[in-house]
Order: sequence, then structure tokens, then C-alpha cells
Amino acid sequence: GQQVMQIPQYQHVQEGEDFTTYCNSSTTLSNIQWYKQRPGGHPVFLIQLVKSGEVKKQKRLTFQFGEAKKNSSLHITATQTTDVGTYFCAGDTSGSRLTFGEGTQLTVNP
Amino acid sequence: DAGVTQSPTHLIKTRGQHVTLRCSPISGHKSVSWYQQVLGQGPQFIFQYYEKEERGRGNFPDRFSARQFPNYSSELNVNALLLGDSALYLCASSLVYGYTFGSGTRLTVV
Repeated sequence: GQQVMQIPQYQHVQEGEDFTTYCNSSTTLSNIQWYKQRPGGHPVFLIQLVKSGEVKKQKRLTFQFGEAKKNSSLHITATQTTDVGTYFCAGDTSGSRLTFGEGTQLTVNP
Repeated sequence: DAGVTQSPTHLIKTRGQHVTLRCSPISGHKSVSWYQQVLGQGPQFIFQYYEKEERGRGNFPDRFSARQFPNYSSELNVNALLLGDSALYLCASSLVYGYTFGSGTRLTVV
């Protein structure tokens, strides 16, 4: 079945440093979605990427979708303590289900 | 507007018992999905319902079943509970794209 791999599993940064998490799917995706889950919370939708090579920005967050629509990345510039949480990518192939990666847990030291 | 609401928030059950989890989607959202999230892992797809019809089923045993009611609320039922069913069960609703998750039901099987 479809697999979505995400690296790194953990990332510890000093406040102000940049952060990147990478996502790779075993199959071509119709779209990829990114979610953030705070400790003890539930996943919160951040963005959806649909087009090959698409790049979207949300303030300090930059999301990219690969040309082959099998990989994606999330880059945070100048991290803040409010960025703490686990970031998940989730691939959609059928329109009825998301396959989540294992997530990257980000901690930010002030 | 209320978000996705789930009940109960926490539940402790004994092995072999049955459990019913409930979900009310955001008003106007006709699609409801269920995910299981084991601690430290990404959510895993269980079911999706749209307009009361099952649109997708994940790789879960037949002990897991669900249904969607005319008001678009949904129930997830799990029979013959196993210790391994202990997890956070998340319900999500969607209108066009991107899923809004509820806060989840934390199920502990002892």
C-alpha cells in the first residue's frame, strides 16, 4: 500500500534558526496536505498543494510540492517558540483518505 | 460556528468490551472521516463517509465499523476491544479540501 515517509523524526532548534521537514511518498499523489499538532492537541490543517512544482508561503512557512508529485517539504524561517509541535504531511491519492507521515517533532529553545 | 465535536473525550474500557465513539461535523460538512492515532505516530485512516455512504475503508479489522446519520453525524464502533486499540480516535470533516479535526476521544483499553 501507499507509504509516506517523513524526516527527520525530531528536530531541536534555537529560536531564530530555520527548520525544514521533508516528506516522500511511494506513489504519485493527487495532492499533499500539511498539518500541525501541538502537544496534547489534534492536527490542524495548514495547507494543501495540488500542482506539480507548486510553492506556497504562509508568513514564515514555505511549502513545496515536487515536480513528480511524490515529495514535499515545509520550511520555517526564523523559528519562534509558538512553532513548537509535530508537523505532519499527508498524501491524498484517492480523494477519500489521507496517508499521514510519521511527523517531525519540532522543539524550539528560547 | 462550532468545530468538529467528539464524545466522549476520554474512555477506559476492558478487553473484549465494545465501544461507540461519536462525532458531529462542522455544519454544512457532509464528509466525515475517522482516524486512529497511536502515541508517537501519525494518524491512520479508518473510514470515510459522505452523504451516509462509505467512501473508503482503511486497513482495519472487521471489529471496526462506522455509520453516518442523516444529520451527517457519525459513530465509530469497535467490538471485542484489544489492548492495541488504545489510541486517540480522531474524527475529521471536510467541505472542499483540508480536514478539520475534532479534539479526539482518548481510548484506553485495560
